[in-house]
Amino acid sequence: DAKTTQPNSMESNEEEPVHLPCNHSTISGTDYIHWYRQLPSQGPEYVIHGLTSNVNNRMASLAIAEDRKSSTLILHRATLRDAAVYYCILNRVAAGNKLTFGGGTRVLVKP
Amino acid sequence: DAGVIQSPRHEVTEMGQEVTLRCKPISGHNSLFWYRQTMMRGLELLIYFNNNVPIDDSGMPEDRFSAKMPNASFSTLKIQPSEPRDSAVYFCASRSRTGATDTQYFGPGTRLTVL
Repeated sequence: DAKTTQPNSMESNEEEPVHLPCNHSTISGTDYIHWYRQLPSQGPEYVIHGLTSNVNNRMASLAIAEDRKSSTLILHRATLRDAAVYYCILNRVAAGNKLTFGGGTRVLVKP
Repeated sequence: DAGVIQSPRHEVTEMGQEVTLRCKPISGHNSLFWYRQTMMRGLELLIYFNNNVPIDDSGMPEDRFSAKMPNASFSTLKIQPSEPRDSAVYFCASRSRTGATDTQYFGPGTRLTVL
């Protein structure tokens, strides 16, 4: 399985942006980069995904490096409700589009 | 839509007993996934189905675990006999299609405790 590397934890102040890095140096050309997050005591939920171009949606932005070996999830204005574990996952077409979750980054938002 | 529904939400049982976890995927979704989450091993994929057919069960830990999907609106994960090391949160997820851009929708999970 293609692996991703994320910091174990990050802290942010409320209303400030949060930049969550992810390294995926073994990514292949058809792998999509997906981000999910897991709020306390809940199942994971989809955040955003991309292939090559940067992506924006109502939850976040995804910036993908030109060589695709890394990406950054950007939460533009963190709120207390954004405190969660954020997972960066390579969705591999060759592996049947399964999601292989790593350890993720635990985000703490301080008021 | 009510989202993915799992039952029970909590299950406490004794070692050796049979445990059955249930999942109702989102209507119209044709892929279903079972995951297990523990502190030690994180979130692991156990098995997934496409169009009610098991596609990959390589994550099923051992023969004590079995999963079925008799129709598009229902799936079960059974553990027989259960052991304390099976204690975990079990998530079910569904997906509308099988493309690389298609997202999974997770249920609230079943917290299983085996004494």
